[in-house]
Amino acid sequence: AQSVTQLGSHVSVSEGALVLLRCNYSSSVPPYLFWYVQYPNQGLQLLLKYTSAATLVKGINGFEAEFKKSETSFHLTKPSAHMSDAAEYFCALNQAGTALIFGKGTTLSVSS
Amino acid sequence: EAGVTQFPSHSVIEKGQTVTLRCDPISGHDNLYWYRRVMGKEIKFLLHFVKESKQDESGMPNNRFLAERTGGTYSTLKVQPAELEDSGVYFCASSHISGRASREQYFGPGTRLTVT
Repeated sequence: AQSVTQLGSHVSVSEGALVLLRCNYSSSVPPYLFWYVQYPNQGLQLLLKYTSAATLVKGINGFEAEFKKSETSFHLTKPSAHMSDAAEYFCALNQAGTALIFGKGTTLSVSS
Repeated sequence: EAGVTQFPSHSVIEKGQTVTLRCDPISGHDNLYWYRRVMGKEIKFLLHFVKESKQDESGMPNNRFLAERTGGTYSTLKVQPAELEDSGVYFCASSHISGRASREQYFGPGTRLTVT
């Protein structure tokens, strides 16, 4: 069975600090992996995706994630947090043409 | 290109009433998905349409939920009669029909349903 685990339901960082949101997955076949972000009162927006090409994936707003098969991880990072990064982040996986399986989400708070 | 739209954005109904949610996918996207997030839980899959056909409805919680996709365009999700546990945010997503592009799903803003 496929699953996604996000470690930490809430992460707090200071503005300018490194952002690290953790995601581990379980899948019997090579998955496609995604990070989505939901800003307050908005829908889910795709941040980045891993599609079996490069293992280091760059997304929007300065975020990136590295696919590590040996660790079954796909952690999301950003070198320097901005106040505007405060949102809820979701890691997800799927197979071709099938539904996404989501983690429980991580709320990122950024303080000045 | 217009994104996925959902209507209404919010709905408050009493237990036992009926509510119909609507989703308009991105034009040309044959895959349409419904998801739900109950408070404090993860976003969970409800069902998947390919054009007007139900490809997978394994996530539908019970027979109080009825989804349709008329002519392979917009979709509706009806809850009848609504129960308290149906409260949550209902998301719709769409994607291309096949290939790598089929994996990338575009989400609507969601409908927040509150059953009192």
